[in-house]
Amino acid sequence: DQQVKQNSPSLSVQEGRISILNCDYTNSMFDYFLWYKKYPAEGPTFLISISSIKDKNEDGRFTVFLNKSAKHLSLHIVPSQPGDSAVYFCAASTIKPASKGTYKYIFGTGTRLKVLA
Amino acid sequence: GAVVSQHPSWVICKSGTSVKIECRSLDFQATTMFWYRQFPKQSLMLMATSNEGSKATYEQGVEKDKFLINHASLTLSTLTVTSAHPEDSSFYICSATRVWGSGLSDTQYFGPGTRLTVL
Repeated sequence: DQQVKQNSPSLSVQEGRISILNCDYTNSMFDYFLWYKKYPAEGPTFLISISSIKDKNEDGRFTVFLNKSAKHLSLHIVPSQPGDSAVYFCAASTIKPASKGTYKYIFGTGTRLKVLA
Repeated sequence: GAVVSQHPSWVICKSGTSVKIECRSLDFQATTMFWYRQFPKQSLMLMATSNEGSKATYEQGVEKDKFLINHASLTLSTLTVTSAHPEDSSFYICSATRVWGSGLSDTQYFGPGTRLTVL
């Protein structure tokens, strides 16, 4: 049972344009979501997160949108750069920021982004 | 800040031998460390959650006697693959979260991973 899904295994975008990566989840208990970027043979690098009390969080070129009613989140990268080419994983958790305890993440299957120069 | 290292980065071993992988948080104290496994072109699969000073919590389907986890300090956790077999060949990644109360989130910071190949 895949609780976190990334239905697009790959995405190609022209340099300078917007990249939109999507993620869907099924468990309504999830209240903290994250995006990670991963290069081959390396560990994931944290990009941006959002808690369920928000619907948008922005950090530089990266913006994450959360639609709780649709159980959907997306990562927007604008403008896209060739260095953004990597696999992007979304992750979901039941932890609330700044609360005690650490809970496990459930990862999606990843979307391979290729930014074309 | 929030650097996590793993050692070794890759290892090749013979079937039946044991392999130890170290995960260290270099510039912060980690209350909890996680061990993941990733198969080619697949997602990260959580194997176990390791809290300093206590026994690890293993996910369903993960053999605790095969994948021994020790979390002896706030900066070091080890994963030992005992009596390794070719099907244990995989990419193993650890992550760590900071000590709660530092004002920072519980974001997991990942190590660079260890590629294990069992012949």
